[in-house]
Amino acid sequence: RKEVEQDPGPFNVPEGATVAFNCTYSNSASQSFFWYRQDCRKEPKLLMSVYSSGNEDGRFTAQLNRASQYISLLIRDSKLSDSATYLCVVKHYGGATNKLIFGTGTLLAVQP
Amino acid sequence: ETGVTQSPTHLIKTRGQQVTLRCSSQSGHNTVSWYQQALGQGPQFIFQYYREEENGRGNFPPRFSGLQFPNYSSELNVNALELDDSALYLCASSSSTVGNTEAFFGQGTRLTVV
Repeated sequence: RKEVEQDPGPFNVPEGATVAFNCTYSNSASQSFFWYRQDCRKEPKLLMSVYSSGNEDGRFTAQLNRASQYISLLIRDSKLSDSATYLCVVKHYGGATNKLIFGTGTLLAVQP
Repeated sequence: ETGVTQSPTHLIKTRGQQVTLRCSSQSGHNTVSWYQQALGQGPQFIFQYYREEENGRGNFPPRFSGLQFPNYSSELNVNALELDDSALYLCASSSSTVGNTEAFFGQGTRLTVV
């Protein structure tokens, strides 16, 4: 079983739609949580960190439920430019190593 | 731009050959991590270097090795290349090994093994 699980999609949505991505993680020692965005054939870029209290950045809202080991990302009013792969990422600190554990990513295609 | 640069951007090698990939970390960053991203998968942690020492390793065989130099740039070496080594290799630099510090990725090296 993968340590971080995501629905690979693709999610095909019209412009203006609201779309939600979900992710679960198996290691309860995970300490930091993120959503990264990766455009086709490009490097991953940090979209936002995820906190237990929930956090919002414009059209994007992220939530973390530590008890259920569940992370979500909500995108409102989807734009064509939101088309990308969204990677759920956890970080845990094993000794002195600080490594990122990625899910397989969820592909979003926003249609005109 | 993140300030993390990788070279080369693309590479084609034959099975059994050896390859060296390079990464220049962002100014002020002393930690470099390497990841392998196969097609349709998320990046997988290979290893991390901190102040010229390997500081943690993922589930990769010993033919994957690395170096970090005094200026904190880094190399990833892969010996005896296999077809399954074909992937995007990403390097990420950060200013610390611990804490909630952000890692910045380079654009990657796309390796094809034929």
